[in-house]
Amino acid sequence: NAGVTQTPKFRVLKTGQSMTLLCAQDMNHEYMYWYRQDPGMGLRLIHYSVGEGTTAKGEVPDGYNVSRLKKQNFLLGLESAAPSQTSVYFCASSYWGGPTGDTQYFGPGTRLTVL
Amino acid sequence: AQSVTQLDSQVPVFEEAPVELRCNYSSSVSVYLFWYVQYPNQGLQLLLKYLSGSTLVKGINGFEAEFNKSQTSFHLRKPSVHISDTAEYFCAVSEIVAGGFKTIFGAGTRLFVKA
Repeated sequence: NAGVTQTPKFRVLKTGQSMTLLCAQDMNHEYMYWYRQDPGMGLRLIHYSVGEGTTAKGEVPDGYNVSRLKKQNFLLGLESAAPSQTSVYFCASSYWGGPTGDTQYFGPGTRLTVL
Repeated sequence: AQSVTQLDSQVPVFEEAPVELRCNYSSSVSVYLFWYVQYPNQGLQLLLKYLSGSTLVKGINGFEAEFNKSQTSFHLRKPSVHISDTAEYFCAVSEIVAGGFKTIFGAGTRLFVKA
């Protein structure tokens, strides 16, 4: 049981390049999330998904796209990277069930630098 | 509107001293409350949560938190800290909305335990 895994762990991009971050979970969770973490700003929600084939915008969605073609995977795409997207990206998942109150399980993070 | 405020961005404390990390929230509905811990270069992991019942919640590593509905607070405490407790701590508030949950994280409190 690996929990939530993220690929890659580190990446350096040049401005204008594109990339996809992969998140996978093996807990059969309905909900999945992508956050970015910047110093002094805590976690900010980029996009989320409430189930396979569905996605929705979070607090800071501009410049990112997502897809959830399979229940266990949630992909985050940067079409044209900008230095402002330098950050640590975390994926999380949770079980849709009232008694758990949206307890989220996090991946180890991807550290992205855009030059 | 839902919001979470962690009142201290950094808390330095000596080893074996008690510590309290403060969290206040605002919400117009019933909430679920969480504390997560993030060790350096890792993802967040659940420390404890309040869903219902007893307002005093015990978590891992000797931490506990008390839900105070009248003061809309959920402060985290530990009677005696260790060097290994050095980490960033995030308070989160979750409320049920149409179609699922809405969870907001605080900006984080960096706990630094000194020898």
